[in-house]
Amino acid sequence: AQKITQTQPGMFVQEKEAVTLDCTYDTSDPSYGLFWYKQPSSGEMIFLIYQGSYDQQNATEGRYSLNFQKARKSANLVISASQLGDSAMYFCAMREGTGNQFYFGTGTSLTVIP
Amino acid sequence: GAGVSQSPSNKVTEKGKDVELRCDPISGHTALYWYRQSLGQGLEFLIYFQGNSAPDKSGLPSDRFSAERTGGSVSTLTIQRTQQEDSAVYLCASSKLGTGNQPQHFGDGTRLSIL
Repeated sequence: AQKITQTQPGMFVQEKEAVTLDCTYDTSDPSYGLFWYKQPSSGEMIFLIYQGSYDQQNATEGRYSLNFQKARKSANLVISASQLGDSAMYFCAMREGTGNQFYFGTGTSLTVIP
Repeated sequence: GAGVSQSPSNKVTEKGKDVELRCDPISGHTALYWYRQSLGQGLEFLIYFQGNSAPDKSGLPSDRFSAERTGGSVSTLTIQRTQQEDSAVYLCASSKLGTGNQPQHFGDGTRLSIL
């Protein structure tokens, strides 16, 4: 089974609108962390936001927030007030508390339309 | 600079040759990871180093791939007898600790093309 599933290969959003990128995960470890990364066309991977499994509140970082639904094992990224510079690939990743590996999803390509 | 540094940024070589890719992590970061990313795909885990512990090599696709980390800092990924399917971007990442909520910080990658 896939550890991280991103079901949206491509998404479009109008500039200044909000967009939600989906991520579901699979683990039996009660301790884990969820990460979102942005990869622009230039190729670098940029860390955006983190959510721990024991965190009581949804993580927020500026225009980025996580809609963390633990029972559903989902950690969707919400980008508010989209900007043209948000056009990129977005990867969801998970680290299980007992392991060394980060498991990455296949990514979602986001295009912001002016 | 203060970020993860990878070299070369691009490498073109003939099938059958050996290649060495270098990664210089952020100073003080004890964890170092190598990933492979094929065009339009996600990240494929290759190998992980944490301090002086034995590396986690579970992601290496074949015995043509090896990596070492000298002095707990710089790492080299070596691919012997390269094949065309080895063509990809090889990304290195480092993090402060090997556990917990520390994110990985990535280098810009090495784009490897096998002719």
